[in-house]
Amino acid sequence: GNSVTQMEGPVTLSEEAFLTINCTYTATGYPSLFWYVQYPGEGLQLLLKATKADDKGSNKGFEATYRKETTSFHLEKGSVQVSDSAVYFCALSLSGGYQKVTFGTGTKLQVIP
Amino acid sequence: EPEVTQTPSHQVTQMGQEVILRCVPISNHLYFYWYRQILGQKVEFLVSFYNNEISEKSEIFDDQFSVERPDGSNFTLKIRSTKLEDSAMYFCASSEILGDNSPLHFGNGTRLTVT
Repeated sequence: GNSVTQMEGPVTLSEEAFLTINCTYTATGYPSLFWYVQYPGEGLQLLLKATKADDKGSNKGFEATYRKETTSFHLEKGSVQVSDSAVYFCALSLSGGYQKVTFGTGTKLQVIP
Repeated sequence: EPEVTQTPSHQVTQMGQEVILRCVPISNHLYFYWYRQILGQKVEFLVSFYNNEISEKSEIFDDQFSVERPDGSNFTLKIRSTKLEDSAMYFCASSEILGDNSPLHFGNGTRLTVT
C-alpha cells in the first residue's frame, strides 16, 4: 500500500537556523508529493508540491525535491522564522484518483527567537 | 481568499449518540472530502464526494458513517452511533477540479470527543 514516513517531532530551532524535515514514501505507481502546513488554530494548507521525479517544489523559502531513487521528499528552509512555527505534513497522491491523499503523521516545528 | 468553514470547532458527545459535523466548502468547488486525524496519528482519508454521490471511501468509512450535501452549500458527515475510537479531529476539504493542479483546501477541523 501507499504510505508516508516523516521524522518525529517536535523540532525546536532558533530563528535563522537551517531546517530539514525528512520524508520518505512508499507507493505503487508514480505519486505526486506534497508538503502541507498547519498553523496553530488553522486548517491544513498546501505549502508546495512536486509531480514527477527531480521536480523541486518551492514556496515561502521552503523547498523539497522529488527523489525517486531514494523515495524521499525532504523539506528544507535556509533560515527559519518564528512565524514558521507550525505542524508540517508530508503527503502523496496517485494521479487519476479523486485526490485521495495519504499523509504522514506530521512534524511540529517550533522556532524560538 | 475563500475558505472552507467547519462547525462546530469542538463537539463533545456520549458514546452511542449520533453526531453531525458540518462543512461549507468553497463555493465554486465540485469535489468534497472528509479526513480525520486521531491524536498523534496520521491524517486519514475517509471519503470523497462528487455530483451528489460518494466517489471513493476508505475502509474506515463503514455503515456508521454517511455524508450528505443537503443544499447547495453545506456538506455534512454523520456518525450514527459514536464509539470512543471515533474521537479525532475531522477535516473537511474541497477542490475545484480533479488532478494535480487542483489542490485540496482544508477547513480548520472539528475536534470530536466521545465520552
